Amino acid sequence: DAKTTQPPSMDCAEGRAANLPCNHSTISGNEYVYWYRQIHSQGPQYIIHGLKNNETNEMASLIITEDRKSSTLILPHATLRDTAVYYCIVIISGYALNFGKGTSLLVTP
Amino acid sequence: KAGVTQTPRYLIKTRGQQVTLSCSPISGHRSVSWYQQTPGQGLQFLFEYFSETQRNKGNFPGRFSGRQFSNSRSEMNVSTLELGDSALYLCASSLATRAYNEQFFGPGTRLTVL
Repeated sequence: DAKTTQPPSMDCAEGRAANLPCNHSTISGNEYVYWYRQIHSQGPQYIIHGLKNNETNEMASLIITEDRKSSTLILPHATLRDTAVYYCIVIISGYALNFGKGTSLLVTP
Repeated sequence: KAGVTQTPRYLIKTRGQQVTLSCSPISGHRSVSWYQQTPGQGLQFLFEYFSETQRNKGNFPGRFSGRQFSNSRSEMNVSTLELGDSALYLCASSLATRAYNEQFFGPGTRLTVL
């Protein structure tokens, strides 16, 4: 699985967009980019995934660069409940996930 | 639809004992995965079962084992417990109809080894 690099922490004001970057420069052609988050003391929660194209769902948008070496998770209107650790995972199959250290996002009032 | 359930939620054991944790996946989900979360090592993949067969395995010693039943429920067992086995053990289930299905996680079992 490709290695990912994420900033250890980020802050975002409530109501603003939160843009979480992920670098995966060694990604191979058949590897997906997944995003999960873990709110304190709860099990991780799936957010979104993509292969080449940008993706959007009710929770977030995923922007993948054309060379697929990096991606950005966008939470369009962050709320206090979005405070969590966000994990970017690159993998062929979505099962044996390597979570890494993730980005701790703090949404402030 | 009910989510992934794990029992028990909390467990205290002593070194040398063994423990069995249980996971009931979301109805219709055929894949069950187990993860260990500790402050030092973070979230680590243990193993994944699909149709009663172990399909993927992480880098854990043989003291960690699991199984899946015909109704997709799964158990994991840790024998000869060590202090370092104290962790949150998470179970996740997936439809497994495609390679890229998302996983749904349960609340976890908090194991403390004294």
